[in-house]
Amino acid sequence: NAGVMQNPRHLVRRRGQEARLRCSPMKGHSHVYWYRQLPEEGLKFMVYLQKENIIDESGMPKERFSAEFPKEGPSILRIQQVVRGDSAAYFCASSPRLAGGHEQFFGPGTRLTVL
Amino acid sequence: GDSVTQMEGPVTLSEEAFLTINCTYTATGYPSLFWYVQYPGEGLQLLLKATKADDKGSNKGFEATYRKETTSFHLEKGSVQVSDSAVYFCALSDPPGSGGSYIPTFGRGTSLIVHP
Repeated sequence: NAGVMQNPRHLVRRRGQEARLRCSPMKGHSHVYWYRQLPEEGLKFMVYLQKENIIDESGMPKERFSAEFPKEGPSILRIQQVVRGDSAAYFCASSPRLAGGHEQFFGPGTRLTVL
Repeated sequence: GDSVTQMEGPVTLSEEAFLTINCTYTATGYPSLFWYVQYPGEGLQLLLKATKADDKGSNKGFEATYRKETTSFHLEKGSVQVSDSAVYFCALSDPPGSGGSYIPTFGRGTSLIVHP
């Protein structure tokens, strides 16, 4: 039973390029959460999605960042015109139901480096 | 809003020492409480959880008790091993309908280093 998959595991981009991070939730999970982790900091919530819907994007910057979870295929976190401050580890988590009160299952993360 | 405060690390111990990592929280309603562990280069994994006051979560020798009166969920282990070296995150989330935030809130993480 495969866990949460994220790819790529490492991504290097130059300033101004676009970064696309992919997350395939566990089988049967329809709730996806994206988090950002900066060195020496905890996890910061970015966005919560269900299939074809963004439920809560209160933690995501208004500009340059977007997320989707299409009916078919993985969830995508897209960062346009990356800047050095976007360098971080981005984690995706999934759950079979609303996470309130329940466990989340995390992927291994994508480590983004912006040169 | 909800918040979680963990003791700052790193916590450095010798093998077989006793471990305590403090965690306190503020929340509306009656949240569920979690400890996650992150090994180097990996994502977070659930270590243990408790869903109501006085519940004790336990796994792999780790324990934590949900203390509503002190709003705490301290992580303990009687005898740590080198393989326990990792970052530990305390987290909470409110069940739907409780009036709180259903988005989990995480502490900053506490790094544990265990020496042979």
